[in-house]
Amino acid sequence: GESVGLHLPTLSVQEGDNSIINCAYSNSASDYFIWYKQESGKGPQFIIDIRSNMDKRQGQRVTVLLNKTVKHLSLQIAATQPGDSAVYFCAETLNQGGKLIFGQGTELSVKP
Amino acid sequence: EAGVAQSPRYKIIEKRQSVAFWCNPISGHATLYWYQQILGQGPKLLIQFQNNGVVDDSQLPKDRFSAERLKGVDSTLKIQPAKLEDSAVYLCASTPGNSGNTIYFGEGSWLTVV
Repeated sequence: GESVGLHLPTLSVQEGDNSIINCAYSNSASDYFIWYKQESGKGPQFIIDIRSNMDKRQGQRVTVLLNKTVKHLSLQIAATQPGDSAVYFCAETLNQGGKLIFGQGTELSVKP
Repeated sequence: EAGVAQSPRYKIIEKRQSVAFWCNPISGHATLYWYQQILGQGPKLLIQFQNNGVVDDSQLPKDRFSAERLKGVDSTLKIQPAKLEDSAVYLCASTPGNSGNTIYFGEGSWLTVV
């Protein structure tokens, strides 16, 4: 179904620690997943994506893990920095560039 | 490369008034989306265009919302008449094609209906 959450989960971490943000997606037929970062007053910014034929993908300081068995995505951020503070959304889609369905979002707060 | 451009960034109107938002996608992007994001929630798709044709408008409240992309480039989203619950950020996004490509978002148009 569609994202309907009103209260964002919050993750608070110390600067330099690793962060793990989790997401449960809704459609077992989804074949493409994206993590977005949204800072206050801005639009969602692409971080990393993964296709359903993979279970792990690494970027610069970020890693996405996909577990299709339990419909779970996670975003790992290494050496978290204050600039990483934002709301993070996972999104799923069928046929990759089609309709994106967003998850609830998690607010990451990084303490200096 | 220029990103997705949207205007106006902020708009405050009274209920029952009308408002229009404009979007210029990334150059060459055939697919354009309008999303509505209510505070504290993830974006929700309103309408998807492929060039100047509508691909999906199943969640567009057609009694008050309309959108067009006449020449397959820029797009406008209109709300008439506005309701209090339309207060949200309206995000435009684009992608080169209908499959296999990342979707990029603009900064959004923030609407407050009072």
